[in-house]
Amino acid sequence: EAQVTQNPRYLITVTGKKLTVTCSQNMNHEYMSWYRQDPGLGLRQIYYSMNVEVTDKGDVPEGYKVSRKEKRNFPLILESPSPNQTSLYFCASSITGGLYEQYFGPGTRLTVT
Amino acid sequence: DAKTTQPTSMDCAEGRAANLPCNHSTISGNEYVYWYRQIHSQGPQYIIHGLKNNETNEMASLIITEDRKSSTLILPHATLRDTAVYYCIAPPIKAAGNKLTFGGGTRVLVKP
Repeated sequence: EAQVTQNPRYLITVTGKKLTVTCSQNMNHEYMSWYRQDPGLGLRQIYYSMNVEVTDKGDVPEGYKVSRKEKRNFPLILESPSPNQTSLYFCASSITGGLYEQYFGPGTRLTVT
Repeated sequence: DAKTTQPTSMDCAEGRAANLPCNHSTISGNEYVYWYRQIHSQGPQYIIHGLKNNETNEMASLIITEDRKSSTLILPHATLRDTAVYYCIAPPIKAAGNKLTFGGGTRVLVKP
């Protein structure tokens, strides 16, 4: 089944403890992206990647890192999480950059205390 | 992005067609109309998109007016699982990062 997977789905952590949220797609998509969704603020793009080894900042990149060493994986790294990064995170992919037909993962609900 | 306007909410009877309108009067000639939905706290789900012609897939139909200033998403036989927030967007051809920006959407409640 074609899909985007994220792990973990739920995570409660403490301030400053490094964490990684994984994202993987099995559709051979070139483009991948990370969003966060907060009440009243809608979807906001964190980082995106047009292809392997090509990443760029979205609208809210502060406090996050990404890497794209393989086409299928696009992990989101929080080096020192803070409470304001408590949010619902979504990974998305599409066949190529330039397309708005994007496929989303199920989401990761992160709570930082 | 071209501005889109949707009703805040609507109810639909299970088994009946749900017709979701969207106004996009400022859309430019080469901008597509996309529809997504988001079931509570799940990942947004792509539904359909179109430019000028009507489009149909296994999920829905999209009817775009000839002047392209509005469109209607049709769910032909709504089920309880179609309860969700539906978003109509008309993103620019080349937006930085290809980011999706959703407005308020239409909250659709399918009732038994």
